[in-house]
Amino acid sequence: AQSVTQLGSHVSVSEGALVLLRCNYSSSVPPYLFWYVQYPNQGLQLLLKYTSAATLVKGINGFEAEFKKSETSFHLTKPSAHMSDAAEYFCAVSERRGTGGGADGLTFGKGTHLIIQP
Amino acid sequence: NAGVTQTPKFRILKIGQSMTLQCAQDMNHNYMYWYRQDPGMGLKLIYYSVGAGITDKGEVPNGYNVSRSTTEDFPLRLELAAPSQTSVYFCASNDPGGTIYEQYFGPGTRLTVT
Repeated sequence: AQSVTQLGSHVSVSEGALVLLRCNYSSSVPPYLFWYVQYPNQGLQLLLKYTSAATLVKGINGFEAEFKKSETSFHLTKPSAHMSDAAEYFCAVSERRGTGGGADGLTFGKGTHLIIQP
Repeated sequence: NAGVTQTPKFRILKIGQSMTLQCAQDMNHNYMYWYRQDPGMGLKLIYYSVGAGITDKGEVPNGYNVSRSTTEDFPLRLELAAPSQTSVYFCASNDPGGTIYEQYFGPGTRLTVT
């Protein structure tokens, strides 16, 4: 069974500082990995995804994440935080299977609330 | 394209009442999903469907039912609502033949059972 662990339910950084949100996964087969962002009272928006093409993945709004198989990690980073980055961030995993693998749905971490201090 | 749409946005139910949460997508996606989001718990899969007429249980299906009569629509039915079903419900869809496993989410339905 697959699972996702996000370290830190709340992370606070100063505006302009580095953002680092941690995600570790467990999966019995090579995974697909995703980061989603959720702004208050809104749905989930895809930030970026790893599907094996490259281990360093660039997403929207200046975010990127690096897949490290040896560490089973997919941490999300942004060099310089902006006030508009304040939101809830979710890491999710989907296991690669044969046909219909995506139909099992995503397994989500519990989320990390990112707070930006002025 | 409107993407994934959900109605209603908000609803308050009394214990024991029933209701249907509507979900529709206009992207011709075969796969559709229902998740619930509880505070501090992330999203959990309730039911999913791989095409019209085919549905299956996810991680937390108890107290819910679904149907899929068309590709576009995937309603979620709550029978005998309970306080434990107070949550935010998200519908999602994807196309396994397209962008691999990326799911598109609706805006959510916030349900309170009192």
